[in-house]
This record gives sequence, structure tokens and C-alpha cells, in this order.
Amino acid sequence: AQRVTQPEKLLSVFKGAPVELKCNYSYSGSPELFWYVQYSRQRLQLLLRHISRESIKGFTADLNKGETSFHLKKPFAQEEDSAMYYCALSGKTSGSRLTFGEGTQLTVNP
Amino acid sequence: NAGVMQNPRHLVRRRGQEARLRCSPMKGHSHVYWYRQLPEEGLKFMVYLQKENIIDESGMPKERFSAEFPKEGPSILRIQQVVRGDSAAYFCASSRDAQETQYFGPGTRLLVL
Repeated sequence: AQRVTQPEKLLSVFKGAPVELKCNYSYSGSPELFWYVQYSRQRLQLLLRHISRESIKGFTADLNKGETSFHLKKPFAQEEDSAMYYCALSGKTSGSRLTFGEGTQLTVNP
Repeated sequence: NAGVMQNPRHLVRRRGQEARLRCSPMKGHSHVYWYRQLPEEGLKFMVYLQKENIIDESGMPKERFSAEFPKEGPSILRIQQVVRGDSAAYFCASSRDAQETQYFGPGTRLLVL
């Protein structure tokens, strides 16, 4: 069975500090991993996907198959990064559906 | 290009009534997905549809829930004889093709009294 785990429900950092949101997954095969973000009163939107290997809003995430992790990182957090972040997975055996983690609420304090 | 539209945004029903949730995908998208988010939980996949076809309904409860995506018009998620445990946020997403990025709607928040 495939599963996505985000161990931290809440994460609080100060502006300018580095931030790392953890995501671990279990999947037999080659998964595709995503980070979605939901800002206050807005819809869920894609932040980045591992196959594109790009940096969005200063965030990066590297797929580590050995550790089955896809942690989201940003070297200097900004107040506007405060939001709910969801890690998600899809794979060939599961078709197009996404399996989500429970989310991490990030708060960046001034 | 308008994003994925869902209506109503909020829906209140009494136990035993029916709930109909509508989703209009983005223009040019023919793949629709429904997810449910129970309080304090992450989004859980329910069903994946293409125009007039159900592709994957492995996440749908066996009873009372059904979904359709007709040739014309929005996708409909229908819940018959609602119970309090159906109270949740229901999100719809659409994509241009399978395995492509899914774009989410704002969700419908269902409250069953």
C-alpha cells in the first residue's frame, strides 16, 4: 500500500531562518512526488513536482529513494510562506490518483 | 482561463437528505478527480473520471456515494441519505491528461446536521 507521512502537523520558524518540511513515503515502484500549498482562504495549488527539478518561490525538494523522503526546504523563510503544505504521491500502480500526507501548517513569525 | 469551479461552496443538509456537489473542470481538461478531507485529516482520493467514464472509483464508499461526468455539463458527486460522518470538505481537481498536473477547485464544505 502506498502512504505519505508528514510527521509535523505544526512548524513555526522566524523570518529569515531555514525551514524544512519533512515528507516520507512508502511505495513499491517509482513514485512521482509533489508538494502542494494552500495559503489562507485560497485553493490548493501545486508548488513543485520532483520530475521538474525546479525551484519555486525559493523552495526545493529532492527525492531521496534510499531514505524514501521528499523533504521541502527553503534557506530563508518569509512571512508570506505561512501556509498549509501537503506532500503527495502518485505512481503507475495507482494510476493518476494522488495520495496525500496529512499536511504541515507552517507559520513564519516576524 | 477560469480555474476549476465548484458549487456550492457551502452546503448544509439534515441527516437522510441528498447532497449534490458540482465541479466544472478547467477549459480543455477532460479528467476529473474527487477528494474528501475529513476534519483534521489529509485529502483522500475518492474517484477519477473522464468524460462519461469512471476510470477509478477505488476510494468511493460502497454505498450512498456516486459520481458522474457527463458529456455536457459539470461532474456531479452525489451523496444519498447523508449521515453526520459525511461532513467534510470535498475537493475536485482536473487535469488535461492522465498523469498531468492536477488543478484544484476551492472545495465544497458539507455540513450534515
